[in-house]
Amino acid sequence: GAGVSQTPSNKVTEKGKYVELRCDPISGHTALYWYRQSLGQGPEFLIYFQGTGAADDSGLPNDRFFAVRPEGSVSTLKIQRTERGDSAVYLCASSFTADNYGYTFGSGTRLTVV
Amino acid sequence: SQQGEEDPQALSIQEGENATMNCSYKTSINNLQWYRQNSGRGLVHLILIRSNEREKHSGRLRVTLDTSKKSSSLLITASRAADTASYFCATPQGNKLTFGGGTRVLVKP
Repeated sequence: GAGVSQTPSNKVTEKGKYVELRCDPISGHTALYWYRQSLGQGPEFLIYFQGTGAADDSGLPNDRFFAVRPEGSVSTLKIQRTERGDSAVYLCASSFTADNYGYTFGSGTRLTVV
Repeated sequence: SQQGEEDPQALSIQEGENATMNCSYKTSINNLQWYRQNSGRGLVHLILIRSNEREKHSGRLRVTLDTSKKSSSLLITASRAADTASYFCATPQGNKLTFGGGTRVLVKP
């Protein structure tokens, strides 16, 4: 597609439920990044994929968070046993290579845990 | 942890005035980038300045970089109401970009 697509744009879930957030990067972009942004803060790194593999998952806050990118394109961020503190905007970005010369971001998924 | 720190946290100006915001960072970098975010959603890449550059222009944007002070500034000239947004600096750390906390700019018509 023309840009990075994230679905859903908004998700409200009950505490303790499981959620999946999807990111469809720009075609041909090998690097994919997930960030989390709390209100009034800058984006915080969660995980980075180069192709199909998670090259750096050091930002995942705990083992309730997991992400996959099985075919090197679409990625899914999975959150188990959601907590109210997980409420945030989850941003996905992609770039042609992992050279850190500029990302294209999606519009994000606003997750609200009630 | 966030590498960059923006200053000020918030800025309110009249349309037509210039807006200046600053970013400080901690470690050596090979480039620094500025992004813009409207309404808390996706970020848009504005400009990249490499470590061997001191100043760069793009339209009404002017970015400076002082690697000795580990700081950068973003100047928006002749601001417009549509420039109302949050602005973030970002620096590479390993395989990823690390973002600062942002400056929220309000341009009043």
